[in-house]
Amino acid sequence: DVKVTQSSRYLVKRTGEKVFLECVQDMDHENMFWYRQDPGLGLRLIYFSYDVKMKEKGDIPEGYSVSREKKERFSLILESASTNQTSMYLCASSFSRTGLVDTQYFGPGTRLTVL
Amino acid sequence: GQQVMQIPQYQHVQEGEDFTTYCNSSTTLSNIQWYKQRPGGHPVFLIQLVKSGEVKKQKRLTFQFGEAKKNSSLHITATQTTDVGTYFCAGHSNSGYALNFGKGTSLLVTP
Repeated sequence: DVKVTQSSRYLVKRTGEKVFLECVQDMDHENMFWYRQDPGLGLRLIYFSYDVKMKEKGDIPEGYSVSREKKERFSLILESASTNQTSMYLCASSFSRTGLVDTQYFGPGTRLTVL
Repeated sequence: GQQVMQIPQYQHVQEGEDFTTYCNSSTTLSNIQWYKQRPGGHPVFLIQLVKSGEVKKQKRLTFQFGEAKKNSSLHITATQTTDVGTYFCAGHSNSGYALNFGKGTSLLVTP
């Protein structure tokens, strides 16, 4: 079974803090994704990576950056957290680069609250 | 960019009633996927449709992909309380690696 883990289930930070959200997958997947989920807005893609050290902006990259130094790990960074970044953050991974069978496997999510 | 619209946003049914959620894309999709997210959980893959006009069934769930590959539907027959959750469709175009998720339909089933 594919396993995607996230470093924290719940996180509380203060405005202006630098925040790191970590995601690890154990199935040698090439693609990894960061989403945020807010009520009524569904899943919105922040960034994704299709290879080590490669990254692509998603729909809402402002205020975020990412790092992928190793294939199994994809980090989301909030350089200076703001209250409007309070949300549920979901990491996902998938196997193929451009293949049709592109099922995404999600981690349990990190609920971040910025005070 | 590609947009995937999903309706309705919410649906409340009595146990035993049927339920349908619809997904529409502004562009042709190479495939469409459906996910289910239980309350407090994370999205879990249900199925993928690839061919024009494709219909797939999983027990009481029926998934359809439109002839033009721009729309899809999920129909649940005789809902049960275990069907409660949010159902997302996600479209994949021929370019890029990312899926475009609809906003989801939240289903509530009361006994």
